[in-house]
Amino acid sequence: DVKVTQSSRYLVKRTGEKVFLECVQDMDHENMFWYRQDPGLGLRLIYFSYDVKMKEKGDIPEGYSVSREKKERFSLILESASTNQTSMYLCASTPSGEGSPLHFGNGTRLTVT
Amino acid sequence: GQNIDQPTEMTATEGAIVQINCTYQTSGFNGLFWYQQHAGEAPTFLSYNVLDGLEEKGRFSSFLSRSKGYSYLLLKELQMKDSASYLCAVMDSNYQLIWGAGTKLIIKP
Repeated sequence: DVKVTQSSRYLVKRTGEKVFLECVQDMDHENMFWYRQDPGLGLRLIYFSYDVKMKEKGDIPEGYSVSREKKERFSLILESASTNQTSMYLCASTPSGEGSPLHFGNGTRLTVT
Repeated sequence: GQNIDQPTEMTATEGAIVQINCTYQTSGFNGLFWYQQHAGEAPTFLSYNVLDGLEEKGRFSSFLSRSKGYSYLLLKELQMKDSASYLCAVMDSNYQLIWGAGTKLIIKP
């Protein structure tokens, strides 16, 4: 089974702090994604990556950056956390190929106070 | 704009059948996914449809009509563990996933 591991299940940070969310997958997938999930809204794509050192903006990249230095690891960075970034963050990976489903990590619930 | 519509919440009885609908308007179509998400957990893949028709997988089936921009997920012999949110997602012409807000399914004994 594919395993996608997010480093923290719950995080509480203060406004203005720099926040790192880490994600590691163990199945050599090319593609990795960061989403946020808020009540009443569909999953919204923040950033994605198709290869090492490669990144593409999703629908809501403002206030976020990413890093993919190794194939298995995709990090999401909040440069200066704000209260409107309080959310559930989901990392996912998938191999290349039509119809390949996303495999999600268990999520990180971030609260910014 | 691109849009996925699904009911916010549905209630059904243990042992019964429930159909969760999803309608979509997207720029192009490269497949439709259904995911299940239990409260506080990650979404897990249920089904993928790219051609019209019904795909059956045990108690769960998924139907697609591309001409109508419509899909449904059919759950038979409902069990209490089926209480979850069900997410519909469409892959558009750029191979980007567009997500619905999800349908919360409540199963009553």
